[in-house]
Amino acid sequence: NAGVMQNPRHLVRRRGQEARLRCSPMKGHSHVYWYRQLPEEGLKFMVYLQKENIIDESGMPKERFSAEFPKEGPSILRIQQVVRGDSAAYFCASSLRLGRIRSSYNEQFFGPGTRLTVL
Amino acid sequence: ELKVEQNPLFLSMQEGKNYTIYCNYSTTSDRLYWYRQDPGKSLESLFVLLSNGAVKQEGRLMASLDTKARLSTLHITAAVHDLSATYFCAACNAGGTSYGKLTFGQGTILTVHP
Repeated sequence: NAGVMQNPRHLVRRRGQEARLRCSPMKGHSHVYWYRQLPEEGLKFMVYLQKENIIDESGMPKERFSAEFPKEGPSILRIQQVVRGDSAAYFCASSLRLGRIRSSYNEQFFGPGTRLTVL
Repeated sequence: ELKVEQNPLFLSMQEGKNYTIYCNYSTTSDRLYWYRQDPGKSLESLFVLLSNGAVKQEGRLMASLDTKARLSTLHITAAVHDLSATYFCAACNAGGTSYGKLTFGQGTILTVHP
């Protein structure tokens, strides 16, 4: 059973270009989370999606960032008109489903991350 | 809003010594995670703590959870060089639309030297 897959693993963009980051959750997982890790910092939540729905985007910057998780295909995190401050590692995590309290069903499994560098 | 704080943020240990990393969280959380991250790598899940008084051990690492004190600890016994990494704790929001969202601590950079 393959784990969470992300691609590309490394992405270099010039200021003003667009970045598209892809995440394929583990087989059978319908919940996807995106986190951002700035250099020398912890991970910060960005967005939580289920198939075709954005459930919580409270961590997403108001402009230039968007996310989707279509019925078919991977989840996409899109950053338009990138700036140097967007340089970071972006991690995707997936979980099976929301379980009852004390259930481990919603344990999140992390992908290898995409390291974005903006020149 | 759930906040998670770890201390210490930097830990330099001698091989063979014991130490504890502390993780405090601010509001009710129904589970607590510990992760390890090596430089340039993803997060490796170490422990999931689901209830008050939970204690889990794996090799030289032991994690515990006190939900009343809103405190989790990661205890390192007889440290070895291979344990050098960054360790994160993360708490999970309980209830509401943020259910399942993880809030991470700042991370503890552990260096084990001879």
